[in-house]
Amino acid sequence: DGGITQSPKYLFRKEGQNVTLSCEQNLNHDAMYWYRQDPGQGLRLIYYSQIVNDFQKGDIAEGYSVSREKKESFPLTVTSAQKNPTAFYLCASSSIEGRSSGYTFGSGTRLTVV
Amino acid sequence: GQQVMQIPQYQHVQEGEDFTTYCNSSTTLSNIQWYKQRPGGHPVFLIQLVKSGEVKKQKRLTFQFGEAKKNSSLHITATQTTDVGTYFCAPNSNSGYALNFGKGTSLLVTP
Repeated sequence: DGGITQSPKYLFRKEGQNVTLSCEQNLNHDAMYWYRQDPGQGLRLIYYSQIVNDFQKGDIAEGYSVSREKKESFPLTVTSAQKNPTAFYLCASSSIEGRSSGYTFGSGTRLTVV
Repeated sequence: GQQVMQIPQYQHVQEGEDFTTYCNSSTTLSNIQWYKQRPGGHPVFLIQLVKSGEVKKQKRLTFQFGEAKKNSSLHITATQTTDVGTYFCAPNSNSGYALNFGKGTSLLVTP
């Protein structure tokens, strides 16, 4: 089955540590995205990538970094510079040609920093 | 990105009642998508609206795009407990491919 996989589902880290969240898709989608969701809030865009080896900052990119070395993979690193990293992180992908079919989201990673 | 306001933020209905959520923008939108997120889940794409005045139906769900393409609505007829979740609108800008999501309307349906 085609889909988008995020791992791990839950992640606990100590304050000051960097952590990398995995996102893999086998939908052959060109574009991939990272969103952050806080309780009672909408989704805020962190980074997105339309093509391999290229990515753009979203509205809240500070304290985060990404890479897009392969079409299938778009990992997100939450650095120690991110002041409030505890949140629900959602990865998504979409076909550029078929944007009318919307985004496909992964099941998310809940990050807790203690 | 283009910002939208969704109202209401929360809605609690009895099963069988109707429900409507509105998405309003101060600027003209090229198109708008709607998503549903169940509690503890991830957003799932419902539909995209593109044309001015467009109306689309999916069973008990009716989606509308305003004539001026500045607002949109989602109406659920005779809600069921399976409709519980948060409904997000997400406008698309004319350039770029990243959606900006509204804050969503959380729907609670009690039997």
